[in-house]
Amino acid sequence: DGGITQSPKYLFRKEGQNVTLSCEQNLNHDAMYWYRQDPGQGLRLIYYSQIVNDFQKGDIAEGYSVSREKKESFPLTVTSAQKNPTAFYLCASRPLRENTEAFFGQGTRLTVV
Amino acid sequence: GQQLNQSPQSMFIQEGEDVSMNCTSSSIFNTWLWYKQDPGEGPVLLIALYKAGELTSNGRLTAQFGITRKDSFLNISASIPSDVGIYFCAGRSTDKLIFGTGTRLQVFP
Repeated sequence: DGGITQSPKYLFRKEGQNVTLSCEQNLNHDAMYWYRQDPGQGLRLIYYSQIVNDFQKGDIAEGYSVSREKKESFPLTVTSAQKNPTAFYLCASRPLRENTEAFFGQGTRLTVV
Repeated sequence: GQQLNQSPQSMFIQEGEDVSMNCTSSSIFNTWLWYKQDPGEGPVLLIALYKAGELTSNGRLTAQFGITRKDSFLNISASIPSDVGIYFCAGRSTDKLIFGTGTRLQVFP
């Protein structure tokens, strides 16, 4: 089945540890995105990538890093520099054609204790 | 980061009632989107609008792209229990998608 897969669904980490969230898509989409969602708030853009080996910072990139070594994969690392990492993280992908929209993954809920 | 103003923040309605929610922005957008999110899941696209003044329907859902390109509304007619969830508007001007703060909808039988 074609789709966008985030793993794991739930993740627990100790404070001070880096953690990497996985996002894979087999839709042959060019662009991929990472969003953060906090309770009662909308989605805020962390990073996005329109092409392999290239990515841009979104509105809240501090404390996060990404890579785009393959078209299908866009992992997000939450570093120890991120002051408030506990949140729901959503990955999305989109073909870069006019009038096409993003598909979202199921999300990863990260809890840092 | 920029977020859109979406209202109301929450709605509690009876099954069968119609619902209306809207989004406003200080910026102009080329695209307006409406998504629905169930608890613990990713958002699912409901309606996409690409032209100012455009009115589009998807079943019981109707959305409009405001003529000023700074606002959009979503109507749900004859609500049913499975309409429960959080509805988000989103606007796009370049490749960045900016989301509203969401409207939480509760439907009582």
